[in-house]
Amino acid sequence: AQSVAQPEDQVNVAEGNPLTVKCTYSVSGNPYLFWYVQYPNRGLQFLLKYITGDNLVKGSYGFEAEFNKSQTSFHLKKPSALVSDSALYFCAVYSGTYKYIFGTGTRLKVLA
Amino acid sequence: DAGVTQSPTHLIKTRGQQVTLRCSPKSGHDTVSWYQQALGQGPQFIFQYYEEEERQRGNFPDRFSGHQFPNYSSELNVNALLLGDSALYLCASSLTGQVYGYTFGSGTRLTVV
Repeated sequence: AQSVAQPEDQVNVAEGNPLTVKCTYSVSGNPYLFWYVQYPNRGLQFLLKYITGDNLVKGSYGFEAEFNKSQTSFHLKKPSALVSDSALYFCAVYSGTYKYIFGTGTRLKVLA
Repeated sequence: DAGVTQSPTHLIKTRGQQVTLRCSPKSGHDTVSWYQQALGQGPQFIFQYYEEEERQRGNFPDRFSGHQFPNYSSELNVNALLLGDSALYLCASSLTGQVYGYTFGSGTRLTVV
């Protein structure tokens, strides 16, 4: 069965420091991987995707993610965190049958 | 740019009642998916509609049903509400065949008391 895991419920980082939000996946075949962000009382906003190609994917708002096939990971990164990055982040994989499978989410808190 | 529009934004229902949630897809999109996001959880796939038919269904009971109209808008109906149905219900639209073109609405927060 396809699945994603986000091992950290919450990540705290100081403003200006680099941030990493972890995601590992389990899929058969080539994965289609995504990161979404959710602000309070809002829906999901697309950040970036990995379909094929370069293992380092650049997305919106300065975020990037590194696809690592051997470690089955797709960690979200940003070189310098902003307070406004504080939100709930979801990793997802496309299952191949018209649906996304989401992780449980990681709450990012950027401290001023 | 009109994205995905969901209504209502919030509602409160009593156990045993029925509820209908509505979704208007992004302009140009023809496929609508519904997800349930319980508190502290990631979104769970309910079903997807395309060409006015349910194309795929997640692990949800028959109390959850839906409909898609000729203009691609969609409804999610939940019968015999349970306390556990309290959640944020998200609608996502896409153009069929595009794996990565999903646009999510802001959701409907359903509280069952």
